[in-house]
Amino acid sequence: DAGVIQSPRHEVTEMGQEVTLRCKPISGHDYLFWYRQTMMRGLELLIYFNNNVPIDDSGMPEDRFSAKMPNASFSTLKIQPSEPRDSAVYFCASTRGTREQYFGPGTRLTVT
Amino acid sequence: ELKVEQNPLFLSMQEGKNYTIYCNYSTTSDRLYWYRQDPGKSLESLFVLLSNGAVKQEGRLMASLDTKARLSTLHITAAVHDLSATYFCAVYPLMEYGNKLVFGAGTILRVKS
Repeated sequence: DAGVIQSPRHEVTEMGQEVTLRCKPISGHDYLFWYRQTMMRGLELLIYFNNNVPIDDSGMPEDRFSAKMPNASFSTLKIQPSEPRDSAVYFCASTRGTREQYFGPGTRLTVT
Repeated sequence: ELKVEQNPLFLSMQEGKNYTIYCNYSTTSDRLYWYRQDPGKSLESLFVLLSNGAVKQEGRLMASLDTKARLSTLHITAAVHDLSATYFCAVYPLMEYGNKLVFGAGTILRVKS
């Protein structure tokens, strides 16, 4: 099993640009989570999906953030327009039911 | 709202010493997870504790769960440098709707040789 796959691993962009982060969950998992990690705020849950349907997006910081899961094997997190304070590591995780979550390698986003 | 508190948040210890990290949570739960994160890396699952009294051991690490006290411990025996990492506990709250895993703030462990 390849585990959770995220791309890109690193992204450097300028303020105002659109950023799209991608995630492929583990096959057979029915939950997918997007987290953001910073030194100041720690690990924050942004949004999660169950069977491709967004269940709770209360952690999404602003309307600039959006997430989709068009099918069971793909999800995107988009930031438009990006700002320097969006700089963080973004993790995707997946699980089946209420089992342990498996984290992807993360995308390190730097917005200049 | 479920709160998960870890202490200490930072631990510097000498190689060969023993120490315990504590994880307290504020609402009913019957499953608790410990994760390890190395600098610049992702979170890796260490232990899954699914019932009161559960104890799991892996090498120099041992985790336990007391659901009545709402407390989990991660005990480090004879620490070695390779254990230096950040350790998170995480809890699924039983009484809340949804499938959110609530994480503690993490304990940064530095083992000095």
